[in-house]
Amino acid sequence: AQSVTQPDIHITVSEGASLELRCNYSYGATPYLFWYVQSPGQGLQLLLKYFSGDTLVQGIKGFEAEFKRSQSSFNLRKPSVHWSDAAEYFCAVGAMDNNDMRFGAGTRLTVKP
Amino acid sequence: DAGVIQSPRHEVTEMGQEVTLRCKPISGHDYLFWYRQTMMRGLELLIYFNNNVPIDDSGMPEDRFSAKMPNASFSTLKIQPSEPRDSAVYFCASSPTGAFYEQYFGPGTRLTVT
Repeated sequence: AQSVTQPDIHITVSEGASLELRCNYSYGATPYLFWYVQSPGQGLQLLLKYFSGDTLVQGIKGFEAEFKRSQSSFNLRKPSVHWSDAAEYFCAVGAMDNNDMRFGAGTRLTVKP
Repeated sequence: DAGVIQSPRHEVTEMGQEVTLRCKPISGHDYLFWYRQTMMRGLELLIYFNNNVPIDDSGMPEDRFSAKMPNASFSTLKIQPSEPRDSAVYFCASSPTGAFYEQYFGPGTRLTVT
């Protein structure tokens, strides 16, 4: 079965700085990859998804992610972070041969003024 | 459009009591999921339905947990009897036909069992 790892539990960046959140997956074939954001007291909101095709994926709120097969990674990026981006971010992996979504443990983002 | 609706948003109950969590999926979605989120175990899938039929309940912790989906617009997750270790945030999510992985989450129910 597929699995996903988010190496960073907590990241702090200054407002206006760039952001990269790491996600590594384990799966033998091409995975389905997702990033979700969870604001305090809220459910998870889908930021972007990758199924196939262009490895650079654009999402909502100015986020993008790049699928790198050679590194088994799907890192989330944003060029300039806003205070409202402070939240918990979850990477998730699925597969075409099963209905089994696996979530990472999450990375908590703090934005400094 | 209304998103996934869950009620109640917060529930505090005593050990041994029955707890019922409710979910209304997005209209037209035919997959419905129940997840549990804790600090220790993260986000876990408990059960999911397709067209009101339970497909995979392997994540349900034990017989104290049960879930039903009597129609396309309503599902319940019941815990009887509840225990302190059931304290968690329970999420309901739904996804459209043929799009299992495009899951839309509700705001969650924070359950505290004392």
